Amino acid sequence: DAGVTQSPTHLIKTRGQQVTLRCSPKSGHDTVSWYQQALGQGPQFIFQYYEEEERQRGNFPDRFSGHQFPNYSSELNVNALLLGDSALYLCASTQGGGRAPDTQYFGPGTRLTVL
Amino acid sequence: AQSVAQPEDQVNVAEGNPLTVKCTYSVSGNPYLFWYVQYPNRGLQFLLKYITGDNLVKGSYGFEAEFNKSQTSFHLKKPSALVSDSALYFCAVREVYGNNRLAFGKGNQVVVIP
Repeated sequence: DAGVTQSPTHLIKTRGQQVTLRCSPKSGHDTVSWYQQALGQGPQFIFQYYEEEERQRGNFPDRFSGHQFPNYSSELNVNALLLGDSALYLCASTQGGGRAPDTQYFGPGTRLTVL
Repeated sequence: AQSVAQPEDQVNVAEGNPLTVKCTYSVSGNPYLFWYVQYPNRGLQFLLKYITGDNLVKGSYGFEAEFNKSQTSFHLKKPSALVSDSALYFCAVREVYGNNRLAFGKGNQVVVIP
């Protein structure tokens, strides 16, 4: 049973560039959430995708956008990168839009460094 | 809005001794509560959750947690700590009838001393 997978593992970008991170949910899951974990902090909710639509959004600027594909995989895009965007980006999956108290399962994350 | 407080930055415990990691939460309604563990350069691994029912929840790797509604707490416990339990532990909460995003605490570093 494949768990949540993310790519790439590490990424180095410079300020002003754009980045795309990818996530494949756990088998049987159709809902994907993205979190940002800055160094020494807990994960912060960015947004959630279900049925190919953004259903919820945390307190992040419009530079952060996403997409969900028909196979439930998802992308996180960040434009005009800032130094403060350096973090571990975590993808989590669950099922049914997350309305039930189903567990969110996390991927290994993508470490983004902005220079 | 929901929030979690994990008051201790680091918890040091001798191998074989009981381990407790503290968590208090704030939600406007009833909570769903979760504990996750993170090893270096890894994602979050689910340990256990409280939804309803018995206040004592048993999870993976011998961990358990006790839900206390009056104290709004959900402390993680293990009767006998192992060196391999050394990791970063996160408590998270979401509202039962609100949005389904998880709000995490800042995490507790657990160090088990051989």
